[in-house]
Amino acid sequence: SQQGEEDPQALSIQEGENATMNCSYKTSINNLQWYRQNSGRGLVHLILIRSNEREKHSGRLRVTLDTSKKSSSLLITASRAADTASYFCAAGGSYIPTFGRGTSLIVHP
Amino acid sequence: GAGVSQSPSNKVTEKGKDVELRCDPISGHTALYWYRQSLGQGLEFLIYFQGNSAPDKSGLPSDRFSAERTGGSVSTLTIQRTQQEDSAVYLCASSSRARVDEQFFGPGTRLTVL
Repeated sequence: SQQGEEDPQALSIQEGENATMNCSYKTSINNLQWYRQNSGRGLVHLILIRSNEREKHSGRLRVTLDTSKKSSSLLITASRAADTASYFCAAGGSYIPTFGRGTSLIVHP
Repeated sequence: GAGVSQSPSNKVTEKGKDVELRCDPISGHTALYWYRQSLGQGLEFLIYFQGNSAPDKSGLPSDRFSAERTGGSVSTLTIQRTQQEDSAVYLCASSSRARVDEQFFGPGTRLTVL
């Protein structure tokens, strides 16, 4: 299975702090994606990093990928209360991305 | 429409009844996926449609689950003889052929089986 597994399962921080979430996967991938989910509803695509990339930025998001360790991290800088959500990684190696159980992030105002 | 839509947003049914869940993907998207998410869990893949190809049904948990996609657009997920363990949020996603790995999700249907 290429399933992504996020770590930690839950993260609680104060507004303004940085939040780091990690993802591990098992087999070779073409890309890895991060999604956000609010209130158990639809997921929103945040960022995709390809297997030949090591780092990617989008606004306050920074994603790194280490294919030798089969791991990725998502950093949210200067967090806001509105960042409170669950974050999922999805390992893409076939046409069906496989998702982990997510990291639940709570940002306290 | 601008995004993926799903209906109904909530469905409460009695054990043993059949239910139909609908997904309208983004216009022009050739790929359509159904996932199931139980409380506090990750997404469980159910079925994948790509254009006119035969669907990948490898994630369907039992023969009570079926899905079809008419005209390469709208999809219906049918659950027959619902059980309490079918209670979950059912999510639909679509993607384009050019960017198949970037999925756009609908808001989901929350199914509760009493």
